[in-house]
Amino acid sequence: DTGVSQDPRHKITKRGQNVTFRCDPISEHNRLYWYRQTLGQGPEFLTYFQNEAQLEKSRLLSDRFSAERPKGSFSTLEIQRTEQGDSAMYLCASSGTGYTGELFFGEGSRLTVL
Amino acid sequence: GQSLEQPSEVTAVEGAIVQINCTYQTSGFYGLSWYQQHDGGAPTFLSYNALDGLEETGRFSSFLSRSDSYGYLLLQELQMKDSASYFCAVRDDTNAGKSTFGDGTTLTVKP
Repeated sequence: DTGVSQDPRHKITKRGQNVTFRCDPISEHNRLYWYRQTLGQGPEFLTYFQNEAQLEKSRLLSDRFSAERPKGSFSTLEIQRTEQGDSAMYLCASSGTGYTGELFFGEGSRLTVL
Repeated sequence: GQSLEQPSEVTAVEGAIVQINCTYQTSGFYGLSWYQQHDGGAPTFLSYNALDGLEETGRFSSFLSRSDSYGYLLLQELQMKDSASYFCAVRDDTNAGKSTFGDGTTLTVKP
């Protein structure tokens, strides 16, 4: 296992379309996080899974955003009815049970909404 | 609200030492992490301080003072490859990986 992988790496879509991103965490990690990053800013927490359970969701996350982690393995983040303000890098990260302060981030999925 | 402050830009020469400061105001505090991010790349973990004091990992050291809500990242023997953005992140929740990140410091290393 070489790390956290995300797909697609880049997505260009028109406003109003739905998009879905996939994240495959490090296989032994039971915790999975989605963050969003815009240019010049740090990552912003979106949501968190422990195994298949979604335990927390940012209040900043509108109801157009939904995330799943079936079977506690890979995760998907779907954005419905995209808006130009959704343009950002969507980062997935994972960590194990014994927290050492380290999140393992994927390379991200860059979304551009036209 | 949650806020972290760090300088937006720092410039230094190869071989020098640079310190990137981070002050925070958060509703909870469980630890301070530092991440490095090159353009177009993923944030990569550098260090974590849960207790006061200095943590050293090779050319990088990180310091925390919880009473001052302050930490810093120290980079020694700077190399050109250290040019990147550096983020401090506060673990502000019992949820282990949920962190609030600063807006980052862009470090430029010049020859």
